[in-house]
Amino acid sequence: GQQLNQSPQSMFIQEGEDVSMNCTSSSIFNTWLWYKQDPGEGPVLLIALYKAGELTSNGRLTAQFGITRKDSFLNISASIPSDVGIYFCAGLKGAQKLVFGQGTRLTINP
Amino acid sequence: KAGVTQTPRYLIKTRGQQVTLSCSPISGHRSVSWYQQTPGQGLQFLFEYFSETQRNKGNFPGRFSGRQFSNSRSEMNVSTLELGDSALYLCASKGTNTDTQYFGPGTRLTVL
Repeated sequence: GQQLNQSPQSMFIQEGEDVSMNCTSSSIFNTWLWYKQDPGEGPVLLIALYKAGELTSNGRLTAQFGITRKDSFLNISASIPSDVGIYFCAGLKGAQKLVFGQGTRLTINP
Repeated sequence: KAGVTQTPRYLIKTRGQQVTLSCSPISGHRSVSWYQQTPGQGLQFLFEYFSETQRNKGNFPGRFSGRQFSNSRSEMNVSTLELGDSALYLCASKGTNTDTQYFGPGTRLTVL
């Protein structure tokens, strides 16, 4: 079935550093979504991308929909302690089910 | 608008029992999807309901079933529970003409 390869699997950074993570697929998607999940909670939508090449920001977060429609990346600038969590990318094609990446676990050292 | 709500938040069952989980979508949303999340398998799609009809289905055994009511609330049922069914079960709703799904807090199911 369709799979999304999300990398890196985990990151250990210092507070204030910028963060970059990405998702790639062998399939084309029409929509890319980025979520953040805190322990014991459901994923919270961060950014939604609907058009190839689209670059969208949400505060310190910036995400892009790759031109090939097979990839997307998420950047977090000037990380703060509350950015800690697991970040998931998800792709959607047509009316099919949402496919998730394996997640990137972000740990921040103060 | 209130977000997606799920009840109960935590549940402990024993092998062989059955369980029913409930999800209330965001007001106005008619699509509800269910996911299973485990450390080993990540987030896996179970099924999607729209206007009381199952519209999409993942690769789970028939012990996993669901339904949706006329008010868009949805329930998921797991029969003959197995240890491997222990997971966080998430539901997500989305509105018409959008692909953006909003998740609830999940139900943590533990099977002993």
